[in-house]
Amino acid sequence: GNSVTQMEGPVTLSEEAFLTINCTYTATGYPSLFWYVQYPGEGLQLLLKATKADDKGSNKGFEATYRKETTSFHLEKGSVQVSDSAVYFCALSGSNDYKLSFGAGTTVTVRA
Amino acid sequence: DTAVSQTPKYLVTQMGNDKSIKCEQNLGHDTMYWYKQDSKKFLKIMFSYNNKELIINETVPNRFSPKSPDKAHLNLHINSLELGDSAVYFCASSQEPSSYNEQFFGPGTRLTVL
Repeated sequence: GNSVTQMEGPVTLSEEAFLTINCTYTATGYPSLFWYVQYPGEGLQLLLKATKADDKGSNKGFEATYRKETTSFHLEKGSVQVSDSAVYFCALSGSNDYKLSFGAGTTVTVRA
Repeated sequence: DTAVSQTPKYLVTQMGNDKSIKCEQNLGHDTMYWYKQDSKKFLKIMFSYNNKELIINETVPNRFSPKSPDKAHLNLHINSLELGDSAVYFCASSQEPSSYNEQFFGPGTRLTVL
């Protein structure tokens, strides 16, 4: 079945530091890939997505590139802010179904 | 305007009780979902409805029964609550059941079973 593995947290950074959260997946066919973010006490929000190989999703300074050869979708941001403190989830939706399979989530804390 | 809303936000109850969580979306979407998030933040899909018809039914105890009276509502009823049911339950919706579509999540209902 489909599965997502993302790096374990928690991750603690200083403001303006570079953030990378690794995500790899297992799926048949051509899944769509997503990053969702959950701010404290809130539901999940879509951060970015990519629906085919080599697509780059980007939003709010975050980027991730769909790499089929390495089955990866790593999230990066060049300069984080305190407001980026949240839990980040990598997820995929299979080409033959529409269930979202989530990674375990990575808690990121950015200190001023 | 709230896109996906859930009530209640917090629910504390005793083991053995029956409770319901309600979800409404005003996005005009056809598809709605229920997810369970455990204490380690792990999210797992439970059910999905498309146009009031059940399309995803994961391995969930029979004590959990979803009901969709119309496309804009998807409620979750839980019978004979157990300690292990304590979690945050999220409702979500999407335009249609497609692997490309973004899912919009509600704020969650934190269920605590004592």
